[in-house]
Amino acid sequence: QKEVEQDPGPLSVPEGAIVSLNCTYSNSAFQYFMWYRQYSRKGPELLMYTYSSGNKEDGRFTAQVDKSSKYISLFIRDSQPSDSATYLCAMTKRTALIFGKGTTLSVSS
Amino acid sequence: DVKVTQSSRYLVKRTGEKVFLECVQDMDHENMFWYRQDPGLGLRLIYFSYDVKMKEKGDIPEGYSVSREKKERFSLILESASTNQTSMYLCASSQLGTGEGGYGYTFGSGTRLTVV
Repeated sequence: QKEVEQDPGPLSVPEGAIVSLNCTYSNSAFQYFMWYRQYSRKGPELLMYTYSSGNKEDGRFTAQVDKSSKYISLFIRDSQPSDSATYLCAMTKRTALIFGKGTTLSVSS
Repeated sequence: DVKVTQSSRYLVKRTGEKVFLECVQDMDHENMFWYRQDPGLGLRLIYFSYDVKMKEKGDIPEGYSVSREKKERFSLILESASTNQTSMYLCASSQLGTGEGGYGYTFGSGTRLTVV
């Protein structure tokens, strides 16, 4: 079993839809969880950060962590065409982050 | 506002050549990382460094080496380039204690290397 699993998609939704992106992980020692957004031909950029279990909201984005189930989610409300990108979950293992493979999202207008 | 700079966006090299990929960060970060990103395989860690002249192997170090002579610069070296090293290479940096306090990586824009 890989340490971090993420469905690669692609995921296509119409503008205004609610999007749910998910990752599962196997290492219970992970404490810090992040979501990165990567536009085509660019490096990933940090989008959301959460520590331990719970929810964190930032505008249209909500990050959720359920440590008991080893499951993290990113919700995007009122999705926009500018949200079209690859979304990578990441979590810490010592100093290096472990990344999911990324989910490609396309939002059509 | 550029914080992590990779010297080349696109590079084409011949099989057997020695290739240098350079990365410079201006945020005084202790940690620096090299990843390669391939379709279907995601980001894979090649090497990382948590201090000057220090380095640690990541998940796929074979065929690569690194150099960190100064805190702001981390170089990736392909000793003898092969076609299976054709990939997008991403450099990143972070403060010590990645994750604590919400500190993640800052990535460069990537170098797309093609080995022919």
